[in-house]
This record gives sequence, structure tokens and C-alpha cells, in this order.
Amino acid sequence: KNQVEQSPQSLIILEGKNCTLQCNYTVSPFSNLRWYKQDTGRGPVSLTIMTFSENTKSNGRYTATLDADTKQSSLHITASQLSDSASYICVVGAGGGADGLTFGKGTHLIIQP
Amino acid sequence: GAGVSQSPRYKVAKRGQDVALRCDPISGHVSLFWYQQALGQGPEFLTYFQNEAQLDKSGLPSDRFFAERPEGSVSTLKIQRTQQEDSAVYLCASRGHSGNTIYFGEGSWLTVV
Repeated sequence: KNQVEQSPQSLIILEGKNCTLQCNYTVSPFSNLRWYKQDTGRGPVSLTIMTFSENTKSNGRYTATLDADTKQSSLHITASQLSDSASYICVVGAGGGADGLTFGKGTHLIIQP
Repeated sequence: GAGVSQSPRYKVAKRGQDVALRCDPISGHVSLFWYQQALGQGPEFLTYFQNEAQLDKSGLPSDRFFAERPEGSVSTLKIQRTQQEDSAVYLCASRGHSGNTIYFGEGSWLTVV
């Protein structure tokens, strides 16, 4: 069964600090890996999308990495801001029409002033 | 519209009542997805449309769940004889013909009492 595991489940850091969120997956076949940010009570918003051939992608203060060999991804947040408080969801696509997306449960990040 | 629009945003239904949730995708988007997100969990796939064709409904949990997109734009997710376990956020998402990014709506929060 395709699975996406994220760690930590929750994380609290001080404003201005950096942090790294982890994602391990067992999805086959592999097509792409996405990171989404979901604010409380809102829909997920896309941060990055990476295909098999890409091992890093940045979006402002967010940098995602992908190691397709070990089936691991990370999301690094630099110089955190209070607005970064949200759930960060790792999503792995198996391709096909419906993309065969498997969602992780998310890492709940809280930025404290 | 500029984004994926869902209505109602919040719905409280008595057990046994039928509900209908509406999704207005981004104009011109061919692909439309429905997901169910329980509290503290990642979204779970329900069904997928390409234009008006429902190409994948493997995620619908029972025959009480029915989705349609008769004209290839607006979609409706209908839940008949609601039960308490149907309480969740129902997310709609759309994707353009050539794009890879999947855009989510804000969700419809369903509570069955």
C-alpha cells in the first residue's frame, strides 16, 4: 500500500529560527512529490512540486529536497515568520489521470514570537 | 473566478439528512478532484473528473456518496442519509490542462449531529 510518513508530527520554534520537516514515502510508481501549506480552516496551498529528476526546489524561504533513491524529502524553512504557523503536507503522486496522490498527515508547525 | 470556490463553507446536518456540496473550479480547468479530510489527517481521495467524465470514483466510501459534473465545470458532491462518520472537511481541487499544480478550495466543513 502506498504510504507517506511525515515527521515530526508537530514542532514549535521561535520566530526567526530555521526548521526542517521530513517526509518518507513508499509510493510506486513515483511521478512527483509536492509540499503543501495548510493554514487552519483553509485549503492546502501548493509550495513546491518536484519530479524524479529534480533534487531541490525553492519557493522564497521554503526549500524542498528530494532523494528518489532513499525515497525521502525534506522541507526547509528559513528565518521563520509567525505566518508560517500551519500544517505542512507532503504529497506523493503516482501519475495517471487522477495523479494517484497519497497525502501525508502533515507536520503541525507553530512559530512562537 | 480567481480560485476554486466551494459552498457551503459550513454545514450542520442531522443524521439521515441528505447534503449537497458545490464546487466551482478555476475557469477552464479540465481536471476536478474531491477529497475528504478528517480532523488531524491528510486529505483522502474520493473522486476525479476530466471535464464531465468521472474517470475515477474508487475513493467514494459507500454508495451514499455521489458526485457529478454534468457540464464539465461546476461539480456537486452529494451525500445521502448522512452518518456521524461523514463529518469531515470536503475539499475540492482543480488542475488545468497543461499545468501540474493542483489548486484547492477552502473546503466545506460538514458536521453530522
